[in-house]
Amino acid sequence: GAGVSQSPRYKVAKRGQDVALRCDPISGHVSLFWYQQALGQGPEFLTYFQNEAQLDKSGLPSDRFFAERPEGSVSTLKIQRTQQEDSAVYLCASSQTSGDEQYFGPGTRLTVT
Amino acid sequence: AQTVTQSQPEMSVQEAETVTLSCTYDTSESNYYLFWYKQPPSRQMILVIRQEAYKQQNATENRFSVNFQKAAKSFSLKISDSQLGDTAMYFCAFMKPFYSGGGADGLTFGKGTHLIIQP
Repeated sequence: GAGVSQSPRYKVAKRGQDVALRCDPISGHVSLFWYQQALGQGPEFLTYFQNEAQLDKSGLPSDRFFAERPEGSVSTLKIQRTQQEDSAVYLCASSQTSGDEQYFGPGTRLTVT
Repeated sequence: AQTVTQSQPEMSVQEAETVTLSCTYDTSESNYYLFWYKQPPSRQMILVIRQEAYKQQNATENRFSVNFQKAAKSFSLKISDSQLGDTAMYFCAFMKPFYSGGGADGLTFGKGTHLIIQP
């Protein structure tokens, strides 16, 4: 079966632009996570969904970051008015249920110029 | 909050050698999960091995094994008979048990160790 997919794989945005990053989890996976990975660092947790409910958004760095998963499958991470410090790889992961192994997507590399 | 520390930014060994990557963590939880993830240059994160804190037996997965010392909060990864394909970033990660509620499932990662296997 297909793994976690993310699109686009690469995104270049000018400072101030809005961007939308998409994640397609493994079919049937209840839990979905977003992580931000800065260059040379480990991923940092951003937010977590259980089905369509966003149960934790404590890792979102500012109110410019917004995530949704309206039908409990595909998720979108939106960043408004992008800043240079938003440049990073954004990783999406899904798991079958709480506490299970998380399967990661290939990530979206966002570069803000 | 949990913290995960990987003190070796980079390691290099010869093919077929055994290498150990270190990881320490800090938590007040009594039950939790620990993971080692591999991230090759293509950047797809892959689970290498998983350990539940309540299990005393160290997890093994083929050439990969862990040395889990709960009292010392240490979780090292041993790779035996290393292969060129083992070259990657390796991340140690911590997860609270899901029944902790909220976003407990979110992983806390260390900064990683870049492992290079030399031919």
